[in-house]
Amino acid sequence: AQKVTQAQTEISVVEKEDVTLDCVYETRDTTYYLFWYKQPPSGELVFLIRRNSFDEQNEISGRYSWNFQKSTSSFNFTITASQVVDSAVYFCALSETNNDMRFGAGTRLTVKP
Amino acid sequence: GAVVSQHPSRVICKSGTSVKIECRSLDFQATTMFWYRQFPKKSLMLMATSNEGSKATYEQGVEKDKFLINHASLTLSTLTVTSAHPEDSSFYICSATPYPSVTSGRDNEQFFGPGTRLTVL
Repeated sequence: AQKVTQAQTEISVVEKEDVTLDCVYETRDTTYYLFWYKQPPSGELVFLIRRNSFDEQNEISGRYSWNFQKSTSSFNFTITASQVVDSAVYFCALSETNNDMRFGAGTRLTVKP
Repeated sequence: GAVVSQHPSRVICKSGTSVKIECRSLDFQATTMFWYRQFPKKSLMLMATSNEGSKATYEQGVEKDKFLINHASLTLSTLTVTSAHPEDSSFYICSATPYPSVTSGRDNEQFFGPGTRLTVL
């Protein structure tokens, strides 16, 4: 069965600092998908990125970037120049070919002004 | 595209009553719908998976007689919490997977509803 580990329960930074959220996964499938979601206090999940197992290219979207390393089974997420609006819980998730999605425990990010 | 709605967004009920939550895919037909539960400060836990016209598949530890899932059409799934108790108070989130090629580049992905916050007094 697949498993996602987000070892950082809570992170607190000061605005404009860079912050990296770690995600380590386990799966026996060769084809799988990795995701990051943001969950603000309202509760609604906000999709950030999806990456399939055959695409190890790192991605940058504005202040967000993702580092996918199959060799270490990691899919880390970095926010550059953090802002107060980035404060939320961030979930990493893994979906295998049967569409069964498993979430990590989440990392609560607090960005202080 | 690929919008999923849930109704109601919040519900408060008395212990012992039943509550129905609706999950709709607004602009696509869904092959599969999923129901998750999230307790405060916890992660999302999959409760069950349902396909239109067939019985839902429940995760281990989820009582199928307590959490009734009906997937009546390709755009609607309902979760009924029967005889609700305070320990059922939680945030319930549904998701739906579209038929392939409906959402270019995002096949096999789950699109999430905004969630329903249930409080049982």
